[in-house]
Amino acid sequence: TQLLEQSPQFLSIQEGENLTVYCNSSSVFSSLQWYRQEPGEGPVLLVTVVTGGEVKKLKRLTFQFGDARKDSSLHITAAQTGDTGLYLCAGEWLRNRDDKIIFGKGTRLHILP
Amino acid sequence: KAGVTQTPRYLIKTRGQQVTLSCSPISGHRSVSWYQQTPGQGLQFLFEYFSETQRNKGNFPGRFSGRQFSNSRSEMNVSTLELGDSALYLCASSPPSRGSWNEQFFGPGTRLTVL
Repeated sequence: TQLLEQSPQFLSIQEGENLTVYCNSSSVFSSLQWYRQEPGEGPVLLVTVVTGGEVKKLKRLTFQFGDARKDSSLHITAAQTGDTGLYLCAGEWLRNRDDKIIFGKGTRLHILP
Repeated sequence: KAGVTQTPRYLIKTRGQQVTLSCSPISGHRSVSWYQQTPGQGLQFLFEYFSETQRNKGNFPGRFSGRQFSNSRSEMNVSTLELGDSALYLCASSPPSRGSWNEQFFGPGTRLTVL
């Protein structure tokens, strides 16, 4: 069974602090995506990474794909209350087997004012 | 451009009943995927439809089925509902280029409660 483990499960920090959340697996992915989901809404895609070692920046958010394409991290600089939400990672395999995409269970982030 | 819409937003059913959920993708998107989200299991892939054909399927029992129409709208059906089917059901559509899941746009979901 393919698994994507996200850590930490919960994180509560003060506004202005930095944080990093992780997404790890023993499987190699062809691509990995990060989403943010707010209550009552569906997940919203933040970024897709496809190359081992790739780093992408989205304003204060920095995403990194591991060299072996098995793990990823999301770093937020100077967190704001608007960053509060459930952060999900999703890994995709090449298309030759079932369950070609899996999601981690997410990191629930709460930024305190 | 309108986003992905799902109806109904909330639904309450009893065990043994069946339910049909509807999803309208973003205009021009031909791929529609369905997911089940629960606190314990997270987001789990149900199936994906492309041009009215099921292209991929997750590990769910046959009680879960779906279909896609010529206008790309999709429905999923759950028969003989069980308490464990209570969940948020999410639909996502993808643009035609670059494969199915390189970019998914999710709807707000249908919250199903089975009593």
